[in-house]
Amino acid sequence: EVQVVESGGGLVQPGGSLRLSCTASGLIFGRWSINWVRQVPGNRPEWVSHITESGTSKYYADSVKGRFTISRDNSKNLVFLQMNNLRDEDTGIYYCAITGYWGQGTPVTVSS
Amino acid sequence: DTQLTQSPSSLSASVGDGVTITCRASQAVGIDVGWYQQRPGKGPKRLIYAVSDLHDGVPSRFTGSGSGTEFTLTINGLQPEDFATYYCLQSNTFPITFGGGTRVDIK
Repeated sequence: EVQVVESGGGLVQPGGSLRLSCTASGLIFGRWSINWVRQVPGNRPEWVSHITESGTSKYYADSVKGRFTISRDNSKNLVFLQMNNLRDEDTGIYYCAITGYWGQGTPVTVSS
Repeated sequence: DTQLTQSPSSLSASVGDGVTITCRASQAVGIDVGWYQQRPGKGPKRLIYAVSDLHDGVPSRFTGSGSGTEFTLTINGLQPEDFATYYCLQSNTFPITFGGGTRVDIK
């Protein structure tokens, strides 16, 4: 059974930073590209970032470009989302998605 | 960006009914279309990928079809656990985008 688990969310002030982590089991981690997606409850999901299998290529939504950085460590089955200069509008539940499997999400609240 | 427009935005149906949800893309998206189900308080779960392929463990009452810019999700024989919100997704071009959602309620 495939399991995806996100962690690292929390409450942070505007301008602050957080580092989200995601791990997965039940699949060969390094064979799959990975996306981070966020969602404000009641709204549609919003794609945030994508990293290819080897980590060579990375893509970002315009709303986070220059502030967020995605990375991965295939030896540890981990993917990260470093979020800097956080804004109120970055608030939401952040999900890690791997070949169609999503975790339960980790909540991020940006507020003073 | 590729915009996805879902219709209807909500519908009411009874257990056993068949329902169809439509997703229209603002430009061609190849076969890179998927459908997700989200129950209240839970994360989205993939039902369909590549237009019509069932995700692991998804019941066969869920069917995806379409081509070009118009795609549909059909549920044949609604079950109590199917009352949820459904989203389409395109991953043909970045940014990956989602439809606005269709809420399926019990009549």
